[in-house]
Amino acid sequence: GAGVSQSPRYKVAKRGQDVALRCDPISGHVSLFWYQQALGQGPEFLTYFQNEAQLDKSGLPSDRFFAERPEGSVSTLKIQRTQQEDSAVYLCASSFDGDSPLHFGNGTRLTVT
Amino acid sequence: AQSVAQPEDQVNVAEGNPLTVKCTYSVSGNPYLFWYVQYPNRGLQFLLKYITGDNLVKGSYGFEAEFNKSQTSFHLKKPSALVSDSALYFCAVRYGSSNTGKLIFGQGTTLQVKP
Repeated sequence: GAGVSQSPRYKVAKRGQDVALRCDPISGHVSLFWYQQALGQGPEFLTYFQNEAQLDKSGLPSDRFFAERPEGSVSTLKIQRTQQEDSAVYLCASSFDGDSPLHFGNGTRLTVT
Repeated sequence: AQSVAQPEDQVNVAEGNPLTVKCTYSVSGNPYLFWYVQYPNRGLQFLLKYITGDNLVKGSYGFEAEFNKSQTSFHLKKPSALVSDSALYFCAVRYGSSNTGKLIFGQGTTLQVKP
């Protein structure tokens, strides 16, 4: 079956621009996570949804970062007024429930110039 | 605080030889431990997990990992390495409430298997 799909695959933004990154989780997966992976580092947790409820947003680095999952399926991570330090790969992952392994998408590589 | 350490940036091994990728952890309470593999320009793929039970956990692609509570380690192993095993490997520990998958990842170890 289809895996986790993320779009766009690559995004180049000028500093100060807003960006929106999309994640289509595996159908039926309740849990959805966003991670940020800087070059040469492990992924770092950003936020977590259970269906449409955002239960944990403790990893969002600033109030410029916003995530939503309004119908409990597709999720969007929005970054306002992008800064160079936002350059990273943004990974989305979903799981059937909290005990199941995470299934990751291929990520969106964001470059802020 | 929960943390994961992968002490080796890179591991080199000849094809056919056994491989070990090291991981140590620090958690309060019982650890939930995971290994993921990442190929270039791809997301992470689940290999195996330890929740409870046998200390030797078997996973995908012939990999296994040994949980050692006294040494707080969860090293990834494979008896005979393949060139196609060359990739970036991440150890992770789950933290937070028991019904979330929130993970802390190590820095990653690049495995290079040479023919």
